[in-house]
Amino acid sequence: DAKTTQPPSMDCAEGRAANLPCNHSTISGNEYVYWYRQIHSQGPQYIIHGLKNNETNEMASLIITEDRKSSTLILPHATLRDTAVYYCIVRVGTDSWGKLQFGAGTQVVVTP
Amino acid sequence: EPEVTQTPSHQVTQMGQEVILRCVPISNHLYFYWYRQILGQKVEFLVSFYNNEISEKSEIFDDQFSVERPDGSNFTLKIRSTKLEDSAMYFCASSVTSGRARVNEQFFGPGTRLTVL
Repeated sequence: DAKTTQPPSMDCAEGRAANLPCNHSTISGNEYVYWYRQIHSQGPQYIIHGLKNNETNEMASLIITEDRKSSTLILPHATLRDTAVYYCIVRVGTDSWGKLQFGAGTQVVVTP
Repeated sequence: EPEVTQTPSHQVTQMGQEVILRCVPISNHLYFYWYRQILGQKVEFLVSFYNNEISEKSEIFDDQFSVERPDGSNFTLKIRSTKLEDSAMYFCASSVTSGRARVNEQFFGPGTRLTVL
């Protein structure tokens, strides 16, 4: 699976959009971008995934660049409960039952 | 909403003792996983399990570790002779393949904090 690079931390004001970048310059054509988050000491939680089109669900939006070398997770209206470590993970789609390889992620702190 | 459950939430044991960590995956899920997270470090994959056998295991998952699905609902991780360095949060996860898209999310349990003294 391709490696990803994320900033170690970022702050966001409550109610504002949080834009979390992720670089995955070695991504292959059959690899998907997944985002998970981990609220302190809890199990990781799936947020969203995508291949090449932008995706949106009730939690977030995922914007993938046309060359697929980077992506941005958008939390449209951050709340205090969104404070967590966010992980960008690249996985082969046809191996979707395989392991998740977590990096260090981005520690997001939402402030009042 | 269905969820993965794990017991106990916290286990304290003496070095050299055997421990069994228990998980109840979501009922219609087919793939099961164990991960661990040492305090302050990243989440690490241990093992995946499908169709009553191990699909993949990491270097961490040595002969001291074993997994079992004894009764069709529980999924267990056994550590035969615990070491100090086994102290960590252990997370169970489960997933089901979506036949059409063949991508799926893993649902994680709340974890069991294992402390080896």
